[in-house]
Amino acid sequence: GEDVEQSLFLSVREGDSSVINCTYTDSSSTYLYWYKQEPGAGLQLLTYIFSNMDMKQDQRLTVLLNKKDKHLSLRIADTQTGDSAIYFCAVHGSSNTGKLIFGQGTTLQVKP
Amino acid sequence: DTGVSQDPRHKITKRGQNVTFRCDPISEHNRLYWYRQTLGQGPEFLTYFQNEAQLEKSRLLSDRFSAERPKGSFSTLEIQRTEQGDSAMYLCASSPMSGFWETQYFGPGTRLLVL
Repeated sequence: GEDVEQSLFLSVREGDSSVINCTYTDSSSTYLYWYKQEPGAGLQLLTYIFSNMDMKQDQRLTVLLNKKDKHLSLRIADTQTGDSAIYFCAVHGSSNTGKLIFGQGTTLQVKP
Repeated sequence: DTGVSQDPRHKITKRGQNVTFRCDPISEHNRLYWYRQTLGQGPEFLTYFQNEAQLEKSRLLSDRFSAERPKGSFSTLEIQRTEQGDSAMYLCASSPMSGFWETQYFGPGTRLLVL
């Protein structure tokens, strides 16, 4: 079945770049997403990339997509303490209803 | 546009009780999704509505769970005879309907604790 894998934890210093990685098994998703979740809150859409793109840049965020390796990454430039949160990679499942399949989430810790 | 809202935000109940959660999607969003998130995990799909029609249910949605979207606007998720394993965050999301799958916008969630 569909599977999305992420590393569980990343720690960086304030001002450094953060790179969060994700691999997935089902390549049929038209869009691939990154969501952010702060403690006790719902999911906030950060950015997404269309499957026919290799890269998308949005201010401090850069998304890279390697379809051959089924690998998605999120780079956060100049990471701030406010970026500390859990980041989820998500792809559409192979059914025709648009349901999202999420990874376990990567906890980003930003040290001052 | 006030975003997706969910009510209540928190619910504590005793095992065996019934609970009902409400989700109000972004206005004019035809599609509505329910997900469940347990501690340390990503959200897992439960069910999906397109307008008032429930088009898919996950295996996770046991017979004790029922969801409705009677007029194609708000939706309710009811859990009957709650069990401790039902403790989780229940997330609702909505998206507009178009020719391809649109971005899903999530509400703040309802956190359920079953004692």
